[in-house]
Amino acid sequence: GAVVSQHPSWVICKSGTSVKIECRSLDFQATTMFWYRQFPKQSLMLMATSNEGSKATYEQGVEKDKFLINHASLTLSTLTVTSAHPEDSSFYICSARGWTPYEQYFGPGTRLTVT
Amino acid sequence: SQQGEEDPQALSIQEGENATMNCSYKTSINNLQWYRQNSGRGLVHLILIRSNEREKHSGRLRVTLDTSKKSSSLLITASRAADTASYFCATDTDSSYKLIFGSGTRLLVRP
Repeated sequence: GAVVSQHPSWVICKSGTSVKIECRSLDFQATTMFWYRQFPKQSLMLMATSNEGSKATYEQGVEKDKFLINHASLTLSTLTVTSAHPEDSSFYICSARGWTPYEQYFGPGTRLTVT
Repeated sequence: SQQGEEDPQALSIQEGENATMNCSYKTSINNLQWYRQNSGRGLVHLILIRSNEREKHSGRLRVTLDTSKKSSSLLITASRAADTASYFCATDTDSSYKLIFGSGTRLLVRP
């Protein structure tokens, strides 16, 4: 149980275009989802917290107009990178928290390359 | 922002040896967790230790927590080549359940 999927697993897009990444909890309802970004050989940096039915809470330094997060249901959150630039190229990982406190279940990640 | 640092940044050992990784953090915590990440993959949860616990075991894993020193260690005994991965500690500090990750240790277990 507690499986989280992400789609796509990798994507290449041209500079200036927008890319949407989906995060789904497959066998549980996620009250909260989190989005992280990870650069090569670095740690995960929390970007935002997404609660179903409400606006996402962004970490300091993360542009909310550039990284649009929508959590429309208890099993789906989306991250849209708008007007992507090469510096947005990164590994994006989501996680979902169910009813069990403290534990988060991580998706497999999405590798975004902006050319 | 990152909660703290892990050391060593990289560790190379022979199969069968023990591997010890350390994590330090900056603020008071509710829980500390350890995760493993294989190259280019998502994270796998290894173990959670609460702030009022000092030691926890799970199979070949042993985690200690010293809240007075704001540090934790992860010991993997009798390492295997399949243990090759990056290991991260992560802390949560409030009811938001946000996880703040350490810088990670890259472990290489040589066959």
